[in-house]
Amino acid sequence: KQEVTQIPAALSVPEGENLVLNCSFTDSAIYNLQWFRQDPGKGLTSLLLIQSSQREQTSGRLNASLDKSSGRSTLYIAASQPGDSATYLCAVSNDYKLSFGAGTTVTVRA
Amino acid sequence: DVKVTQSSRYLVKRTGEKVFLECVQDMDHENMFWYRQDPGLGLRLIYFSYDVKMKEKGDIPEGYSVSREKKERFSLILESASTNQTSMYLCASAGRDRPYGYTFGSGTRLTVV
Repeated sequence: KQEVTQIPAALSVPEGENLVLNCSFTDSAIYNLQWFRQDPGKGLTSLLLIQSSQREQTSGRLNASLDKSSGRSTLYIAASQPGDSATYLCAVSNDYKLSFGAGTTVTVRA
Repeated sequence: DVKVTQSSRYLVKRTGEKVFLECVQDMDHENMFWYRQDPGLGLRLIYFSYDVKMKEKGDIPEGYSVSREKKERFSLILESASTNQTSMYLCASAGRDRPYGYTFGSGTRLTVV
């Protein structure tokens, strides 16, 4: 069974600092890895999707890397802003089902 | 803008009631999913459907059933609601072909009293 771990569980940084969120998974035979953002009491918003053949994806201030052989992904958020405060979830799919990590809750202090 | 729509943001139901949670997607996706999210337990898959009238159990199907009569609509049914089914319910859809990018709805917060 796929196990997904996210470290740290929570992170608090001053505005402007770069954020580094880590995700690890146990079964490297994945189809893709997807990063989501969740605001309190809301649904999940997809941020980036990395296919198994890719090494990274970028969107604006966000960059996600994937090292499938070592079972790791990292989400970088450059020049953090208070509006980046949320929970970030990593999810991997071995088929069309997703396995989620528990998330990293980020607080960006103004 | 493509989307997954869940019919209710908040629901309060009584123990023993039959509860229907509705989800509609406009992306012509084959795959649809129901998750529940609880503090400390994360997101857990209840049921999913890979085609009309087809369904498969996820990790925690007990106490739930589903219905998919049309491609765009996937319903979660709580046959007899219990207090331990108080949770956030999230619907998602994904296409048939890789990379299976998921789109989630905004969630339904269900409270069973």
